[in-house]
Amino acid sequence: GENVEQHPSTLSVQEGDSAVIKCTYSDSASNYFPWYKQELGKRPQLIIDIRSNVGEKKDQRIAVTLNKTAKHFSLHITETQPEDSAVYFCAARGYTNAGKSTFGDGTTLTVKP
Amino acid sequence: DAGITQSPRYKITETGRQVTLMCHQTWSHSYMFWYRQDLGHGLRLIYYSAAADITDKGEVPDGYVVSRSKTENFPLTLESATRSQTSVYFCASGGIPSYEQYFGPGTRLTVT
Repeated sequence: GENVEQHPSTLSVQEGDSAVIKCTYSDSASNYFPWYKQELGKRPQLIIDIRSNVGEKKDQRIAVTLNKTAKHFSLHITETQPEDSAVYFCAARGYTNAGKSTFGDGTTLTVKP
Repeated sequence: DAGITQSPRYKITETGRQVTLMCHQTWSHSYMFWYRQDLGHGLRLIYYSAAADITDKGEVPDGYVVSRSKTENFPLTLESATRSQTSVYFCASGGIPSYEQYFGPGTRLTVT
């Protein structure tokens, strides 16, 4: 089955700096890669996603890049703010597995004011 | 989102008891999922359903039972709860495989 590895497990940055979280996956059939943000005690919420026919996608301060050859994708957050502090999860999914997603173990991002 | 709800939100039960966690969605999504989230881990899939009366195992199905007689409901039953099943359980739903999964608010289950 699919295996997703996420790094780093914790990340601390100064407000205004950029943050990068990286994920690798094992199943070349995976073609949908969402990123979720989970605040303490809350549910995971989708913040951005990318499909395999696209190499990069941006939404304001958030961007995701995908390298299908190397089987890795990354989340980039620019101009970080304290409210970006949360746990971020990457996931990988393929059309052939009935919508099942495999999640990384999460990255705890702390943005220091 | 108000469209997917879980009940109860908090539950304390004893080892060996049966407990059922409820999940209800109002979007008529075909796909529904149950995940557990343990400290230091991501979300691990327990069971999923592609439609009413169609269910299949995920990554960690042992000790759990699901059913889906109606599209909108997807209950998860712990037949004989164990302490290792202490966790936060999230239900999710999605329209088609490639689309976003919407998560419920979660149920925090403690087995004593």
